[in-house]
Amino acid sequence: DVKVTQSSRYLVKRTGEKVFLECVQDMDHENMFWYRQDPGLGLRLIYFSYDVKMKEKGDIPEGYSVSREKKERFSLILESASTNQTSMYLCASSSRGSRYGYTFGSGTRLTVV
Amino acid sequence: DQQVKQNSPSLSVQEGRISILNCDYTNSMFDYFLWYKKYPAEGPTFLISISSIKDKNEDGRFTVFLNKSAKHLSLHIVPSQPGDSAVYFCAASAMKTSYDKVIFGPGTSLSVIP
Repeated sequence: DVKVTQSSRYLVKRTGEKVFLECVQDMDHENMFWYRQDPGLGLRLIYFSYDVKMKEKGDIPEGYSVSREKKERFSLILESASTNQTSMYLCASSSRGSRYGYTFGSGTRLTVV
Repeated sequence: DQQVKQNSPSLSVQEGRISILNCDYTNSMFDYFLWYKKYPAEGPTFLISISSIKDKNEDGRFTVFLNKSAKHLSLHIVPSQPGDSAVYFCAASAMKTSYDKVIFGPGTSLSVIP
């Protein structure tokens, strides 16, 4: 069964901590994405990557960075966590040129206190 | 400014009746549209899609209608079942310009009442 796996379902971190969210896909997909989901705002794109070591800013990249050293792994980094980064974070992947959309992970619920 | 809009945050429908979820978009470059379904504590899953060269696509109980001139699409679920209760995201893409990016709407929470 193909899948996108996010390393943690729930995380609680303190303000100012550096936070790493990991995502691994086993479908050999070229594209990988990080979204956050907030009530009333839907899914907002933070960063995406269309190849190893490549990254592009999404709509809300401020306060985040990413790393893609291997094709199957895409990491989201919160450099200094803040309470307004409390959210559900969703990783997704897709094959290049696919018209069938994304495969999503189950999400990481991050709470910053 | 949101490029994909779902103006109804929530919808309640009786089991067995039709559910109609609406979506509007502003970017005329969009040429492919998708609906995703999301249960709590799970990631969204792909439900149905439609290309801009079509005006209707059907898959079992789910039908998506596209009105390009109005920049409007809708998802019809007939008959609605309690297991359809979820958040539904409308999404759109413009493949030639966007590195396969998909833009999501804010979602509509559907409750199907037994």
